[in-house]
Amino acid sequence: DAKTTQPNSMESNEEEPVHLPCNHSTISGTDYIHWYRQLPSQGPEYVIHGLTSNVNNRMASLAIAEDRKSSTLILHRATLRDAAVYYCILRDYAGGTSYGKLTFGQGTILTVHP
Amino acid sequence: NAGVTQTPKFQVLKTGQSMTLQCAQDMNHEYMSWYRQDPGMGLRLIHYSVGAGITDQGEVPNGYNVSRSTTEDFPLRLLSAAPSQTSVYFCASSYLGFGTGELFFGEGSRLTVL
Repeated sequence: DAKTTQPNSMESNEEEPVHLPCNHSTISGTDYIHWYRQLPSQGPEYVIHGLTSNVNNRMASLAIAEDRKSSTLILHRATLRDAAVYYCILRDYAGGTSYGKLTFGQGTILTVHP
Repeated sequence: NAGVTQTPKFQVLKTGQSMTLQCAQDMNHEYMSWYRQDPGMGLRLIHYSVGAGITDQGEVPNGYNVSRSTTEDFPLRLLSAAPSQTSVYFCASSYLGFGTGELFFGEGSRLTVL
């Protein structure tokens, strides 16, 4: 199964940009890259996903390396409400092993300082 | 829409007791799954289903049973509870959508086994 690697923790100041990295060196050609975040005492929530091209939505941007072996979640202006655990996972769209067997690592704990 | 509904939100069991955690979704999602999250840890996949009548094991299936008789419901059964099963349990669902399906999570069920 393709696996992802993320730093255990990162810190940021409020209103500054945050770049959260994820390595997925064994990604297959049919894996989408998904990001989720988990606020304290809540279930995870979807943030963004992409396949090859960079993606933007109202919450964040996703930058995907040309070889797809890494990606970066970008929060353009961090707020205190962005303090959470951020998870990067891979989801196969072609019936491969990660089609249903979605595995989350330990994620990155983001601390935002006022 | 109610989204993903988990019941109960809190439960205390004695060692050896059995119980069922309920999960229901009203979004007609093909994919449903159960995760457990221990304190300070990431999510670990217990079981998942890609449609009614189809289930498969995740990373930590021992001690848990599942069935999927309808699209809407995916109950998780603890056959003989053990203290090691003390955890927060999350149910998630999504369209399979060729890997693009966004996962929707329930609010979690906190289980304590004495």
